[in-house]
Amino acid sequence: AQTVTQSQPEMSVQEAETVTLSCTYDTSESDYYLFWYKQPPSRQMILVIRQEAYKQQNATENRFSVNFQKAAKSFSLKISDSQLGDAAMYFCAYRRYQGGSEKLVFGKGTKLTVNP
Amino acid sequence: EAEVAQSPRYKITEKSQAVAFWCDPISGHATLYWYRQILGQGPELLVQFQDESVVDDSQLPKDRFSAERLKGVDSTLKIQPAELGDSAMYLCASSLGRESEQYFGPGTRLTVT
Repeated sequence: AQTVTQSQPEMSVQEAETVTLSCTYDTSESDYYLFWYKQPPSRQMILVIRQEAYKQQNATENRFSVNFQKAAKSFSLKISDSQLGDAAMYFCAYRRYQGGSEKLVFGKGTKLTVNP
Repeated sequence: EAEVAQSPRYKITEKSQAVAFWCDPISGHATLYWYRQILGQGPELLVQFQDESVVDDSQLPKDRFSAERLKGVDSTLKIQPAELGDSAMYLCASSLGRESEQYFGPGTRLTVT
């Protein structure tokens, strides 16, 4: 079964500093997608970044980048130059296909606090 | 920018009562998802629609939960009767189709007393 594990329930960072959120996953598939979603308080979940497993190059979106280690099944998110607006719950997710269905399997999340 | 709409945003109901949530996906999105997010957990898929057809409801507690998307556009999720353990955030998401990004609505926070 595919599982996603986020071992850090909470993290904090100083404004303008860099923070890394960890995620590991378990799968027997060779081709898949991984995602990081951000869920601000009382607001909808939005996609931060995605990584296709067949691509060796790590994905980057402005201040957000990932360290994808396929063999280790690790997918960490690095936030550079942290801003107050980055404070949120961050969820790592794996996209799973089964029959005709496609669903996201989420980790339990990491609550990120940004200190001014 | 188009968004997924959900209502109500908050709902308090008593145990054994019926409750319903509504979702209006982004126009043109054929795939619609309902997720349940228990406090402190990540969302878990309850049901997925492709147009008006259910493609996955394996995690939907069918003795009390039902979902429909009659015209392949908006969708309703119903719980009858509600139980204390149903207290959670219910999220709706939509996408253009397979391998497309899922866009989430703001959710409905349900409290069962």
